[in-house]
Amino acid sequence: EAGVTQSPTHLIKTRGQQATLRCSPISGHTSVYWYQQALGLGLQFLLWYDEGEERNRGNFPPRFSGRQFPNYSSELNVNALELEDSALYLCASSLTGQEKLFFGSGTQLSVL
Amino acid sequence: LAKTTQPISMDSYEGQEVNITCSHNNIATNDYITWYQQFPSQGPRFIIQGYKTKVTNEVASLFIPADRKSSTLSLPRVSLSDTAVYYCLVGDAGSSASKIIFGSGTRLSIRP
Repeated sequence: EAGVTQSPTHLIKTRGQQATLRCSPISGHTSVYWYQQALGLGLQFLLWYDEGEERNRGNFPPRFSGRQFPNYSSELNVNALELEDSALYLCASSLTGQEKLFFGSGTQLSVL
Repeated sequence: LAKTTQPISMDSYEGQEVNITCSHNNIATNDYITWYQQFPSQGPRFIIQGYKTKVTNEVASLFIPADRKSSTLSLPRVSLSDTAVYYCLVGDAGSSASKIIFGSGTRLSIRP
């Protein structure tokens, strides 16, 4: 069974550009979570989607947005990139109502 | 959501048993306790989850006292490959207000 897949693996952008990160959950999982992890730091909660709806978001500005598609895959968009947005972006999926998260390997975003 | 407190770092040697304790004084009735392991540049990996007493799987044991205000992850006979960051999480993913929040984690270093 395929795990959570994220693309691209690495993404290099310049300040002010937009970045789009993609995530495919494990088959049958309806919840998708996004986290940001800056180098050497912990995971910061970004967004939670379930059944196509945004259920909750962390303390990030509105330029961080996303969506979940009918097939439960998800996209994270970051507009007007800033240098401090450089981080590993992790996606996780779970069955609705389950605390057990399965993570992808992440997208390393570098903003120059 | 219950806040968790863990040691920032721990050191041990190969073959030893390692116990990492997490404090969660404000745990709610519906909350589960979940532990994850993270290697550098990878997403966290689920280790074990429990509600009360003791849970054991092929990689670890989780001890939860009757008051559930703390929990201890026990790793038997650690090896160099157990060097990682370990996160303790407490929450109820079934709640619509749920955000699965990761704390700072415990950086475990295993020496030969």
